[in-house]
Amino acid sequence: ETGVTQSPTHLIKTRGQQVTLRCSSQSGHNTVSWYQQALGQGPQFIFQYYREEENGRGNFPPRFSGLQFPNYSSELNVNALELDDSALYLCASSTKGGNTEAFFGQGTRLTVV
Amino acid sequence: TQLLEQSPQFLSIQEGENLTVYCNSSSVFSSLQWYRQEPGEGPVLLVTVVTGGEVKKLKRLTFQFGDARKDSSLHITAAQPGDTGLYLCAGEKVSGGSNYKLTFGKGTLLTVNP
Repeated sequence: ETGVTQSPTHLIKTRGQQVTLRCSSQSGHNTVSWYQQALGQGPQFIFQYYREEENGRGNFPPRFSGLQFPNYSSELNVNALELDDSALYLCASSTKGGNTEAFFGQGTRLTVV
Repeated sequence: TQLLEQSPQFLSIQEGENLTVYCNSSSVFSSLQWYRQEPGEGPVLLVTVVTGGEVKKLKRLTFQFGDARKDSSLHITAAQPGDTGLYLCAGEKVSGGSNYKLTFGKGTLLTVNP
């Protein structure tokens, strides 16, 4: 068990709606990264938060946004949901610095219908 | 564009057999990590390799990082049904001087039959 928890575990939304996913990082970790994993694919980097600031972003549109709170927990928000947004969303916590070892939560399975 | 290519994509073997999974890239990574993922769960970190040519062992699993830090392999000896899962390699790159992100391969889905 990694100590990284995500909520909810499963979610069904309608196209066009908005969704917020949550992640509590492992104790002592100050960095949270979010990944999207489509079926049959490896995780794709969405963005990373370090000390409440976005610290790098992958190739995702602006309707994917996030927050990090003073306790280092984080939210991922997706607006105007599309069918292709259906995926497993993973958050990973780590500490800033070289050779980062990322510890993942169990993920949130989002289904857009 | 997938920066990390994993092969094979699927592997089905009998209990007791040996296997090797490969992770190749044209990019240099500061470190490379191997994860194992079960259906509906998050990836679980197995090992991190950092130095070119490094070899790490975890019980029946042997991990090697290429000399040029562009490729890696995972060898499992005497595979067991409990080894079944999706094996993912992920390279870490520093971009913009401060961002550490992981680039994942598509994974190798291993099934070990009793």
